[in-house]
Parts: sequence; C-alpha cells; structure tokens
Amino acid sequence: SQQGEEDPQALSIQEGENATMNCSYKTSINNLQWYRQNSGRGLVHLILIRSNEREKHSGRLRVTLDTSKKSSSLLITASRAADTASYFCATDATGNTPLVFGKGTRLSVIA
Amino acid sequence: DTAVSQTPKYLVTQMGNDKSIKCEQNLGHDTMYWYKQDSKKFLKIMFSYNNKELIINETVPNRFSPKSPDKAHLNLHINSLELGDSAVYFCASSQVDSHGYTFGSGTRLTVV
Repeated sequence: SQQGEEDPQALSIQEGENATMNCSYKTSINNLQWYRQNSGRGLVHLILIRSNEREKHSGRLRVTLDTSKKSSSLLITASRAADTASYFCATDATGNTPLVFGKGTRLSVIA
Repeated sequence: DTAVSQTPKYLVTQMGNDKSIKCEQNLGHDTMYWYKQDSKKFLKIMFSYNNKELIINETVPNRFSPKSPDKAHLNLHINSLELGDSAVYFCASSQVDSHGYTFGSGTRLTVV
C-alpha cells in the first residue's frame, strides 16, 4: 500500500510555537498533498508539492519533500489556536488513481 | 454557493435498511469520489468516477454502489446496512491536473 503514515499521531503546543508533522509513504508519487480537517468538518486542501519539488511555502506553511526517503514534512510557524485540527498527508501515485490518505496528526494549539 | 454539497448531514437508520447519500458539485470538475472515514479518522477511498471510468476499491462490499446521473452528481447507495457501516462518508471532486480535491462536509451515518 502507498498509504502515508503521519508522525506524530498527536501534537500539543503553545500558541506562537512552531508545529512540525511528518509523513512517510511507500511508492513513487506524482505529488503529495496536505489537508486540514477541523472537528466535524470536511477536509480542506492546504498545499500540493510535486515530485520534482523539494520545498514549497504558503503563508505560515512550509512543506518539504524528500523522494529518496519517501517522506514529507509540514511546518506551521507561529501557530494559533485556530490551527487546532487534524492534518493529513495524501499521495497521488498517478493522474488516474485517487489520493491515498495517511492516518493524520491531531494538532492542539493551546492559547 | 457550497462547492461540494452532501445530503443528509446526519443519517440514523436500522440494520437491514437501504439508504442513499447524495452529492453534488458545482465546480465543473471531471472526477468525483466517495471516501469513508472510520472512528479512528482513517480515510479510505471507496469509489472514484468520471464520465468515462468507474474505479472501485475492491475491498468495498457490493452492497455499496455509486450512481451518477450526470457529471455534477455522484450518489452513494447502500443496501442491507450493517452496524459496521457506521462512519462518516465524504464526497469529493477534482479536476485533472488540479491543485487538490474539494471535499463536502460529510454525512455521519449511524446504523443501530
């Protein structure tokens, strides 16, 4: 299975600190995506990084991708209480197969 | 103005019943999906469908069937509901070479 595995499963930090979540996967990919899910809501797309990219930024988000290690990280800088959510990585192996999601990291940001 | 809308949001039903969940997207996307999220938050693909191809996850019981009356709709029919079908079901859509999926807000199905 190409399912991603996030690490850690749960993370609790103080507001203003940085949060780092990691994702590992098993097969070759076209791209890797990160999603956020607030409690009781649907998933929201955050950022996509292609297999030929190593780093990408979007606001307070920084994503890295190491295809040799089949891993990615999501860094949220200067976290806020509103960042409290579950974060999922998802891998896209080809253009015709659906995204495969990891098990997610539950982030709690304490004000 | 909701991009991907699912109905109902909550569904409580008895074992053995047949139920449907509807999904509509107004984004003009080519492909739609159904995912199941279990109590541990694990998301599992059930189906993906565009106007040319239906991809079925082979682990999904044949009691589950997708039906797409047109490109903007992908409904999920479930026959003979079982306790283990209780979960949150998410519809999503995407465009080829897009920047990600757009998800609906989910349907929480409880089978009693």
